[in-house]
This record gives sequence, C-alpha cells and structure tokens, in this order.
Amino acid sequence: DAGITQSPRYKITETGRQVTLMCHQTWSHSYMFWYRQDLGHGLRLIYYSAAADITDKGEVPDGYVVSRSKTENFPLTLESATRSQTSVYFCASSLGGSQPQHFGDGTRLSIL
Amino acid sequence: QKEVEQNSGPLSVPEGAIASLNCTYSDRGSQSFFWYRQYSGKSPELIMFIYSNGDKEDGRFTAQLNKASQYVSLLIRDSQPSDSATYLCAVRDNQGGKLIFGQGTELSVKP
Repeated sequence: DAGITQSPRYKITETGRQVTLMCHQTWSHSYMFWYRQDLGHGLRLIYYSAAADITDKGEVPDGYVVSRSKTENFPLTLESATRSQTSVYFCASSLGGSQPQHFGDGTRLSIL
Repeated sequence: QKEVEQNSGPLSVPEGAIASLNCTYSDRGSQSFFWYRQYSGKSPELIMFIYSNGDKEDGRFTAQLNKASQYVSLLIRDSQPSDSATYLCAVRDNQGGKLIFGQGTELSVKP
C-alpha cells in the first residue's frame, strides 16, 4: 500500500526556473492539498482540489500553478521560482472534505 | 481571518507524566478538529480527530473538545521520550474542507 508519495524528495534549482513537484496517491481520495511549511509560519495551504478538474486557491497561491487531470495525481508547478519559495512542501489527501488528511513525506526545495 | 492558536512551547515534562497540549480557535462554526504529531524533519502524522463535545480516548492519547469555549486539547498519559515532537492542532474550515493549522507546540519528554 503505497499511500501518498511525493517526488522528488529534494530539489535544488535556480531563480527563474520552472519546477514541478509531483504528488500521487493510491487511496482514490477525492481531496488533495498542497502546503508549504516554513519556520515561523507553520503549515500554509497553497492550493487544494476537491475532485479531478476542480481546484481552488488556499492562503498563499501566488507564484504556483496546479492541475488535476486524474484523481490520483496533483502536481504543483512553480512557474518562475524565487528564493522566497524555498521551503518544505507537503502534499496531503483526504477521502472527503471532513475526513482527516494524510500527508506525504514532503519535498525539500531550495532555490538559489 | 480564521485563526488557530497554540502555545509554541517548548513544553517539557518528565517521563511517565501527563502532557497537556492546548489549542483555541476563532471560528465558532468549526465542526472537525485534528491533532497531528510531527517529528523533526518528518511529515505530520495524524494522531486523533474529534467532532463532538467531550473526550475521545485512543490508547495513551485523549482529545478533549469544548465548543462553547472554543478550545480543544490533547492529553498524553505516561509520556515517553519517543513522544518528543511538535504537535499540530488543526481545525477544519467549513468552506471547502480546508484545514487551518496552529503553529504547533514542541513537546520534550525528559527521561
């Protein structure tokens, strides 16, 4: 049971580059979420999706793009990376909107 | 702005003691509450969830919810050094299934 997997686990890139973080879940959960976690700010929601082809903004969506063409995948793209986007990114999923969310192992992203 | 507040700690307790972690929230309409444990460098791991007023017990963990006072707490009985972690309180936003997280309380259990 793979659960929810994120890739890559670590990524170093340069400012201005496009980078995509992948998230895949095998539970057939309807909801998927992207968070970033920074010291002093805790977990902040970037985008979420209630179902395939349905996405919505969270607290900090600027500079990020998401898509959800298939229920199991929810990639997060930084179109033109900036140093302020250096962070740890977590993907999560839940069966329904009121159900607990389960997190992937995270991607540590550094932008130089 | 809907908020979830936690004491950042660190909260230090001796091994075998009861650790009490508290959380308050601003949205009176919130219905679902979650506690996550996060070890350093790891992802958040669900420990408990509670939807109704009162207590919910699972092994050494007890979640307590008081909607009238807008607080939720987590008690850890017989605390172990392996319980040392940051504990995140999360409250479901009634709009769209989003969770609002507190900043977390760092717990240190001393042998």
